[in-house]
Amino acid sequence: NAGVTQTPKFRILKIGQSMTLQCAQDMNHNYMYWYRQDPGMGLKLIYYSVGAGITDKGEVPNGYNVSRSTTEDFPLRLELAAPSQTSVYFCATLGGQRLYNEQFFGPGTRLTVL
Amino acid sequence: SQKIEQNSEALNIQEGKTATLTCNYTNYSPAYLQWYRQDPGRGPVFLLLIRENEKEKRKERLKVTFDTTLKQSLFHITASQPADSATYLCALTPGGATNKLIFGTGTLLAVQP
Repeated sequence: NAGVTQTPKFRILKIGQSMTLQCAQDMNHNYMYWYRQDPGMGLKLIYYSVGAGITDKGEVPNGYNVSRSTTEDFPLRLELAAPSQTSVYFCATLGGQRLYNEQFFGPGTRLTVL
Repeated sequence: SQKIEQNSEALNIQEGKTATLTCNYTNYSPAYLQWYRQDPGRGPVFLLLIRENEKEKRKERLKVTFDTTLKQSLFHITASQPADSATYLCALTPGGATNKLIFGTGTLLAVQP
């Protein structure tokens, strides 16, 4: 099992460009999450999904969009990149059926907006 | 306002000693609290979970305590090793919103040989 995979690993964008960060999981977990982590800061929740077709905003959703058409995939879209979106982005899934179970994280995507 | 705080200064200890990391929170009533380890350039990895009605949880050299009166969790690594060097994140599940985790900023632990 690959677990949680994210692509790309690194990306540099110019201001105003758009891109999609990909996240895929093969653990059949219903819950998926997108976080951003700025240097010296904790993880901030951007969006999450409790299952295919259902998404909801987290703490810092502005400037991002998500979709969840399948259980396996949860892409994060940046429409008009801004320098404030320079960060490391992590995708995570919630293990098991109980909501307090551990989260499994992908390796992250390091994004720089210039 | 709601806050979850960890010591932002790095913790430096000698190999073989016990490392103790602190996580304090305000204006939350967490049902659960978790600890994660994060190595540079990698995603966090789950270590331990403790429920609000549990005082202590152990796993090998790791021990977590949870004091809901003090609003504090302590994370201990006994007989620390250089391989334990990493950033340790605490995360809580706010009561009533059990599908989300709120993360602290993490504490960098450096174990010197």
